[in-house]
Amino acid sequence: AQSVTQLGSHVSVSEGALVLLRCNYSSSVPPYLFWYVQYPNQGLQLLLKYTSAATLVKGINGFEAEFKKSETSFHLTKPSAHMSDAAEYFCAVSESGGYQKVTFGTGTKLQVIP
Amino acid sequence: DAGVIQSPRHEVTEMGQEVTLRCKPISGHNSLFWYRQTMMRGLELLIYFNNNVPIDDSGMPEDRFSAKMPNASFSTLKIQPSEPRDSAVYFCASSLSGTGAQPQHFGDGTRLSIL
Repeated sequence: AQSVTQLGSHVSVSEGALVLLRCNYSSSVPPYLFWYVQYPNQGLQLLLKYTSAATLVKGINGFEAEFKKSETSFHLTKPSAHMSDAAEYFCAVSESGGYQKVTFGTGTKLQVIP
Repeated sequence: DAGVIQSPRHEVTEMGQEVTLRCKPISGHNSLFWYRQTMMRGLELLIYFNNNVPIDDSGMPEDRFSAKMPNASFSTLKIQPSEPRDSAVYFCASSLSGTGAQPQHFGDGTRLSIL
């Protein structure tokens, strides 16, 4: 069975500092991995996805994530935080092959301090 | 392009009343998902439709919940009778397929409060 663990339900960074949001997954077959962002009173929006092409995936708003099979990780990073990055971020995993439910992590709320 | 459209955005009703949530997926998407989000339980998948057919309803909490997709452009989630513990934000999402490789596109949700 697939699962995803997000370390840290709340992360605070200063404006301009590195953003690092951690995600570890468990999957019995090659996974598809996603990061979504949720702003207040909105639905989830796709930031980026990994589907077995390049291990370093670039997304919108300057975010990127690196798939590391040996560490079963898919951490999200951004070199320089902006105030507008304050939101909740969800990591998600699904397994390849037929219909596979997407499993979402519990989310990490990012606070950006001016 | 129009995204996933949900209505109403907010619903406040009394315990025991019937509640109907509506969703219009993105045109051309053949997979539709209903989720419930709460602080305690996070994001839970309630039901998944593919080509208008329910494929996975294992997340539907109990018989009070029902969902339909009469055509490719409309789905409803109904709660009858409603209870205070049903208070949550309900999201509808659609995607090009249900294989897991395609990302899901979410609506802005319906915030449901049962008094």
